[in-house]
Amino acid sequence: DAKTTQPTSMDCAEGRAANLPCNHSTISGNEYVYWYRQIHSQGPQYIIHGLKNNETNEMASLIITEDRKSSTLILPHATLRDTAVYYCIVRVEGGGNKLTFGTGTQLKVEL
Amino acid sequence: EADIYQTPRYLVIGTGKKITLECSQTMGHDKMYWYQQDPGMELHLIHYSYGVNSTEKGDLSSESTVSRIRTEHFPLTLESARPSHTSQYLCASSELAGELFFGEGSRLTVL
Repeated sequence: DAKTTQPTSMDCAEGRAANLPCNHSTISGNEYVYWYRQIHSQGPQYIIHGLKNNETNEMASLIITEDRKSSTLILPHATLRDTAVYYCIVRVEGGGNKLTFGTGTQLKVEL
Repeated sequence: EADIYQTPRYLVIGTGKKITLECSQTMGHDKMYWYQQDPGMELHLIHYSYGVNSTEKGDLSSESTVSRIRTEHFPLTLESARPSHTSQYLCASSELAGELFFGEGSRLTVL
């Protein structure tokens, strides 16, 4: 599976959009990008995933660059409850359901 | 809402004791996983199962063992606990590839 690189930490003001970047420059054509978050050592929570097209759901939007070498998770109106570690994960199609979590980005949402 | 439960949530036990961490899910998922996470560190996959009577070791070597006799149940056992086993153990299940539902975790302390 392709390796991902994320900033160690980011800050965001409450009510503003939080844009979390992820670099996956060695991604292959059949590898999906998944995002999870983990709030204070609770079990991680699935957020969103995509292959080529941008995706949006009730939690967030995922923007994948045309060359697929990077992506951005967007939380449109961050709240204090969005403070968490955000993991960007690449999974190969047909590679089973195993996910490898890296170190992620610690997002701190402040007043 | 994910229906996956782990017990106990917290366990403090002496060296040499046998312990079993329970994990149950009511979603009928075939695939289940155990991850281990030390405080502030990455999650590491230690065991997974793709169905009844199927178990595999994960990416991180572990002295624990698992069983999958029923679809909904995936217990993890340590025959003789040691201080090095002190960690948080997170159970997850999935149906769709890459979309894992996690329990709240079992925090084990071995004295």
